[in-house]
Amino acid sequence: DAMVIQNPRYQVTQFGKPVTLSCSQTLNHNVMYWYQQKSSQAPKLLFHYYDKDFNNEADTPDNFQSRRPNTSFCFLDIRSPGLGDAAMYLCATSRGDKQYFGAGTRLSVL
Amino acid sequence: SQQGEEDPQALSIQEGENATMNCSYKTSINNLQWYRQNSGRGLVHLILIRSNEREKHSGRLRVTLDTSKKSSSLLITASRAADTASYFCATDATGGTSYGKLTFGQGTILTVHP
Repeated sequence: DAMVIQNPRYQVTQFGKPVTLSCSQTLNHNVMYWYQQKSSQAPKLLFHYYDKDFNNEADTPDNFQSRRPNTSFCFLDIRSPGLGDAAMYLCATSRGDKQYFGAGTRLSVL
Repeated sequence: SQQGEEDPQALSIQEGENATMNCSYKTSINNLQWYRQNSGRGLVHLILIRSNEREKHSGRLRVTLDTSKKSSSLLITASRAADTASYFCATDATGGTSYGKLTFGQGTILTVHP
């Protein structure tokens, strides 16, 4: 009965080759978040959606884009992955204060 | 900018002992939350304390908040090997919305030896 599902769990891509990570939720929450977490570091918010309203963090690189076609799904697109983009990417949802996280997608860039 | 800093960075204890982790932050907050992360997995919400609260309990967890010192502590009593994980504090300084944006601390890695 997973509530926030991220696919795939592991993704390998090549330097410069576009990659898309996906997140789906069964909670019907109106807010969805994408975080980047590098090894032994804190999760860092990239952007979030409040319903269809997209909110980008000021320091999120232009290389990162997001789409939310409906309430249940949200995608993270990395247009030209660099070696520095290798990380765990976490999707989360919320309706109020508490956030619910997926298991994450670990991205490797070769 | 980083909001929360945690100490210790790593904590190693024996099963049955108590574990205390501390978090400091820089700006005024609406609430402070603690999350747990098992290795290679997502985060799980543990407990939330609002800025007008000083202490909160949930099972074996006790959280305190001192807004004058901009600090919080998480106490896990009677620890178990299954408590081995990373623990993150996260602050919500969002105003005027019905949802929060969290800024996470660097985390404390807790190892509980059987």
